[in-house]
Amino acid sequence: QKEVEQNSGPLSVPEGAIASLNCTYSDRGSQSFFWYRQYSGKSPELIMFIYSNGDKEDGRFTAQLNKASQYVSLLIRDSQPSDSATYLCAVEGGTASKLTFGTGTRLQVTL
Amino acid sequence: ETGVTQSPTHLIKTRGQQVTLRCSSQSGHNTVSWYQQALGQGPQFIFQYYREEENGRGNFPPRFSGLQFPNYSSELNVNALELDDSALYLCASSSAGMRGGEKLFFGSGTQLSVL
Repeated sequence: QKEVEQNSGPLSVPEGAIASLNCTYSDRGSQSFFWYRQYSGKSPELIMFIYSNGDKEDGRFTAQLNKASQYVSLLIRDSQPSDSATYLCAVEGGTASKLTFGTGTRLQVTL
Repeated sequence: ETGVTQSPTHLIKTRGQQVTLRCSSQSGHNTVSWYQQALGQGPQFIFQYYREEENGRGNFPPRFSGLQFPNYSSELNVNALELDDSALYLCASSSAGMRGGEKLFFGSGTQLSVL
């Protein structure tokens, strides 16, 4: 069983729509959760992090965490073509700063 | 820009050779983590160095080894290269030490191709 699971996509949304990206994880003891954006050929870029149950908003991005359901999501409002990338969900494991990543969801924002 | 620099950016090696990748951490950061990202996969944790000691290791064989220097920069060494070692190698620094919840910022990576 994979420790962090994401739908590989591609997820296609029209420009201006809301993109919803989902992630589930298996380790109930996980405390820290991160979303990274990765453009093709580039390294991952941190865009959101969340530690507590509920929602956290930063500009057009909202991260949602439900520890009881072991579920993390990322909402992108007013999607732009520049948001087209792979979004990686990462969960902090037993070692501080050891992140377990999902395989990523590829997002395509169409004109 | 994250302040984490990696060298070289690209490298081509043949099977059986050895390679050394380098990482300079962001100023003030004492912890360096290395990740391997194969094509189409998420990054996989290789190991972490804190105050020049290995502090956690992922599921990688002993031919993957590392060092951290007093200035907190780091090297990743891979011996007896295999074709499956072809990947993007990412370095991340933080001030986490033993503390969890710290955000990781990655360098631009080294793309290694093993022929």
